[in-house]
Amino acid sequence: QQPVQSPQAVILREGEDAVINCSSSKALYSVHWYRQKHGEAPVFLMILLKGGEQKGHEKISASFNEKKQQSSLYLTASQLSYSGTYFCGTASGNTPLVFGKGTRLSVIA
Amino acid sequence: DVKVTQSSRYLVKRTGEKVFLECVQDMDHENMFWYRQDPGLGLRLIYFSYDVKMKEKGDIPEGYSVSREKKERFSLILESASTNQTSMYLCASRRQGGGNTIYFGEGSWLTVV
Repeated sequence: QQPVQSPQAVILREGEDAVINCSSSKALYSVHWYRQKHGEAPVFLMILLKGGEQKGHEKISASFNEKKQQSSLYLTASQLSYSGTYFCGTASGNTPLVFGKGTRLSVIA
Repeated sequence: DVKVTQSSRYLVKRTGEKVFLECVQDMDHENMFWYRQDPGLGLRLIYFSYDVKMKEKGDIPEGYSVSREKKERFSLILESASTNQTSMYLCASRRQGGGNTIYFGEGSWLTVV
């Protein structure tokens, strides 16, 4: 079953922050975050394993609450280059990733 | 550097044609996957393979088949293409285990007319 992402779309001005949520109805082993630009393949951002850890990648970080089966992606001080569609992918063990429908992020000047 | 190569970026095929989409990875990964991506639907899993000669159906296998004769190569086959198979197809691979990163190819845009 696909994880549910929210919001579906968001528009930001440069420098603003955003949070993208990913929620699953299944117990999760890992959550993977990707960003995709139009016409290109998804690019890996980060992976979180169960344990509630938080990871960071420059101004992009994420958390994983395995009890709630949720993950959140935090984008701070957004830049124009952050525009794209963000996908979360979830795995319950040694299973293929199941992806959400994506969150379209637009950063404007 | 990690590399997943899809042989065709853009294809136009006629209804009823047999279509082969080829994917090769150079990372010695055990697991390989085929997803299709449509606007508003995200990435949906068609088939996957955890080892040579193995294949498993994903969420939307109807109208597709796959072949994995060598570890590095995973082919997606549309036996008789239909217009509702017009889509972007993404191949991916990873080392065995759900906690490992999946690497995507650049995608194949297929149009069936």
